[in-house]
Amino acid sequence: GAVVSQHPSWVICKSGTSVKIECRSLDFQATTMFWYRQFPKQSLMLMATSNEGSKATYEQGVEKDKFLINHASLTLSTLTVTSAHPEDSSFYICSGQGASYEQYFGPGTRLTVT
Amino acid sequence: QQQVKQSPQSLIVQKGGIPIINCAYENTAFDYFPWYQQFPGKGPALLIAIRPDVSEKKEGRFTISFNKSAKQFSLHIMDSQPGDSATYFCAASGKIYNQGGKLIFGQGTELSVKP
Repeated sequence: GAVVSQHPSWVICKSGTSVKIECRSLDFQATTMFWYRQFPKQSLMLMATSNEGSKATYEQGVEKDKFLINHASLTLSTLTVTSAHPEDSSFYICSGQGASYEQYFGPGTRLTVT
Repeated sequence: QQQVKQSPQSLIVQKGGIPIINCAYENTAFDYFPWYQQFPGKGPALLIAIRPDVSEKKEGRFTISFNKSAKQFSLHIMDSQPGDSATYFCAASGKIYNQGGKLIFGQGTELSVKP
């Protein structure tokens, strides 16, 4: 299957600071990338969908000014959590989708806000 | 109408057993049904997927059965092994989403295979 990487895999930050998470498709061009959030023992919750060169589309209830998404190229998308608070602590996962329906997920980023 | 309902929430089987996980959907516009496997602290990995024009698909020890009229699909794991212990998610997607196939996930099933 296709490979998606995320960086960093784990990050700890202080409350009020911003954190950027990178998502890269390594061996395919991801025309669409998705960002998910997952709490322990729960399913994946879609936060936003982004197409290369376009503004991201956010799911209902997701603050677009807090979770900034950039999809500058067909292989890179970034999620910036601005002014992070402890309640933003979670497991963030991205996925890439190429020409077909298949979505390939990254390994996830564990964010802890202290 | 956008929900995908998955059951059971958790499942324990002995090594060699055949765990079965079921999913049901309501929206008939869905036309792509993947299953993902997730280990703790890792991202989901695509296991197998099916489209509604076939009733069954096998890949190795994993089989999807699809019942279009009942709007249900299930995952069977043949000869299960302790290494299959993970959380399994079903999902659905379709052309109704103009953003390239947004996935609707089920709630997940935590599978434990005892040696």
